[in-house]
Amino acid sequence: QQKVQQSPESLIVPEGGMASLNCTSSDRNVDYFWWYRQHSGKSPKMLMSIFSNGEKEEGRFTVHLNKASLHTSLHIRDSQPSDSALYLCAASRGSALGRLHFGAGTQLIVIP
Amino acid sequence: EAAVTQSPRNKVAVTGGKVTLSCNQTNNHNNMYWYRQDTGHGLRLIHYSYGAGSTEKGDIPDGYKASRPSQENFSLILELATPSQTSVYFCASGGGGNAEQFFGPGTRLTVL
Repeated sequence: QQKVQQSPESLIVPEGGMASLNCTSSDRNVDYFWWYRQHSGKSPKMLMSIFSNGEKEEGRFTVHLNKASLHTSLHIRDSQPSDSALYLCAASRGSALGRLHFGAGTQLIVIP
Repeated sequence: EAAVTQSPRNKVAVTGGKVTLSCNQTNNHNNMYWYRQDTGHGLRLIHYSYGAGSTEKGDIPDGYKASRPSQENFSLILELATPSQTSVYFCASGGGGNAEQFFGPGTRLTVL
């Protein structure tokens, strides 16, 4: 069983709508969460990271973290067709080796 | 921006053959990683390295070897390729700790 669980597996939202993606780690030693975005046929690129309780906003993207439950969520407001991609959540322990444990991803489709 | 390149970009191999995937980074990052990506599994760590001459096993190392001859280069070696190793392979580099990882463009490997 993967240490990082993401839900839903896939999500369809209309253009201009809000997309909400979830991620939970079962490893209580993690202290940093990452969201990567991967467009079809491309490599993953880091979107946002968070390590403190609360939320972090960058443009249309907001990340929440609850460290007690090891749950993070990514919210995309005013979704655009260009946001259609695989969103990967990852968790790390902050060691010097920088190992990331990835979830299986959420496939987001934004319909015009 | 960080630069990670991979070669070849596509490879068709025969069962039992030897395959070498190469990765080069110009970021002067200490850490490098090899992942494979399969539908439903996200990214899974095969091997990683924290400097020239070092290699460490990741979560799914069986059937793979790695080599880090220099700061810039990190290779993944399949001594006896099997069809189950058909996948997309990504190399990444990072500064370690909670630093972002930068991914290469990927290599699509098909083992017949």
